[in-house]
Amino acid sequence: KNEVEQSPQNLTAQEGEFITINCSYSVGISALHWLQQHPGGGIVSLFMLSSGKKKHGRLIATINIQEKHSSLHITASHPRDSAVYICAVIRASGTYKYIFGTGTRLKVLA
Amino acid sequence: EAGVTQFPSHSVIEKGQTVTLRCDPISGHDNLYWYRRVMGKEIKFLLHFVKESKQDESGMPNNRFLAERTGGTYSTLKVQPAELEDSGVYFCASGRGPYGYTFGSGTRLTVV
Repeated sequence: KNEVEQSPQNLTAQEGEFITINCSYSVGISALHWLQQHPGGGIVSLFMLSSGKKKHGRLIATINIQEKHSSLHITASHPRDSAVYICAVIRASGTYKYIFGTGTRLKVLA
Repeated sequence: EAGVTQFPSHSVIEKGQTVTLRCDPISGHDNLYWYRRVMGKEIKFLLHFVKESKQDESGMPNNRFLAERTGGTYSTLKVQPAELEDSGVYFCASGRGPYGYTFGSGTRLTVV
C-alpha cells in the first residue's frame, strides 16, 4: 500500500463542473504539495500546504493534518484544466524528498 | 529566472547501451533532486544533492545508475547498461531550501 493515496485515479467532467481530488497519506508530514502535469509537459507546482486552506484563482487546496487528508478543488472547470494532478508529501523527519501519489488524470470536456 | 532545464527531452536507446541525462538547475539552487516515474507507477525519489555532495542516494535502483553534480552546478544521471525496466520519465528538481522546489520538464527514456 502506497504511503500516499489519491482518488479518483481517473476523472472525466463536463466544463463548468466543480471537481474534487482527494489525497490521503499515512506518514507524519511537514508539508504537502499539489502538482500539475499537462500531457507531454513538466511538473508545475500548484500549492504547498502545511495547514488550513489556500486559494489561487479557481483552485482551492485544503489540508486536515489530524485526519491526514488533503483535497484539491477546481471550481468552474475548463478543458485547459485537463492534466494529471499529483499529491506529494514531505515526511516530518528525514531528508526532504517527496513521496508521491500515483496522480489523478482529469479530463474536462467542452 | 530561467527554470530547471533537462535534456534530452526524449531518448530512445537499445538495451545494453549507455544514456546520460542532464539537468541544469536554477542558478543559486544548492538542492538538486532526481526523481523517476515508470509506466503506471508513482514518481519515486532517486537521489538528492546539496551542492556537489550526495545527501541521500537511497532511491538509486542499482549500480547501473550513476549521478554526478560537477562543481555544484549541473547534474548528470548515467544509466549503463540500460535495461528495459529503466524506461520512464526522469525528473530533476532544484531549490534553495528544502521545500517548494521547481521541477524540470523531464526526460522520457525508452529502452527497446
